[in-house]
Amino acid sequence: QVQLQESGPGLVKPSQTLSLTCTVSGGSLSSLPYFWSWIRQHPERGLEWIGYIYNSGSTYYSPSLKSRLTMSLDSSKNQISLELTSMTAADTAVYYCVSQSWSGSGSYSPLDWGPGTLVTVSS
Amino acid sequence: DIQMTQSPSSLSVSVGDRVTITCRASQGITNDLGWYQQKPGKAPKRLIYAASSLQSGVPSRFSGSGSGTEFTLTISSLQPGDFATYYCLQYNTYPITFGQGTRLEIK
Repeated sequence: QVQLQESGPGLVKPSQTLSLTCTVSGGSLSSLPYFWSWIRQHPERGLEWIGYIYNSGSTYYSPSLKSRLTMSLDSSKNQISLELTSMTAADTAVYYCVSQSWSGSGSYSPLDWGPGTLVTVSS
Repeated sequence: DIQMTQSPSSLSVSVGDRVTITCRASQGITNDLGWYQQKPGKAPKRLIYAASSLQSGVPSRFSGSGSGTEFTLTISSLQPGDFATYYCLQYNTYPITFGQGTRLEIK
């Protein structure tokens, strides 16, 4: 298992861009066979999967966020990043960095989660 | 998107009770389903993956079953540390989707 730690601003103004970073420890991003994901939890609307990036740099984004979302990774720093543009109050949530591991069925199951970081969108 | 319908939304239970939580997928997901426990202020923790495989380190009183569209999480004898919210999620088809959660409350 790996350890994940999110970092970023706790407060973002409407229309601004959110930038979050996840630092991975306990293994190398470039060699671990995981999908690296972001999941958020809205105060009243539950859990929402945002997207993943693989160590090759390939990505898959949730269709509902695809037009505003960019994920990247920096193997030299063992970090994954998320950028979400045009933030609104509906984006207020706790954002989690999550590893997805092979589950034996051809699919990747969410396994390790960071502690999460609360992002509030407000002027 | 695949819709995950979880029931009940809350359950009032006592230590020692047997607890069953159900999750239904809007279409078949083979066994690509996980169960997670979340305590207040903490991240979810994986209990079960592949519908019935117990995550390493998780007590054996937790078990999962099901395939296709119907899944169940069972806690055989509830312990004090088990009062939490439980979520199912499917990872068969992207985007990954979640059940609404089941909150276990002390009776």
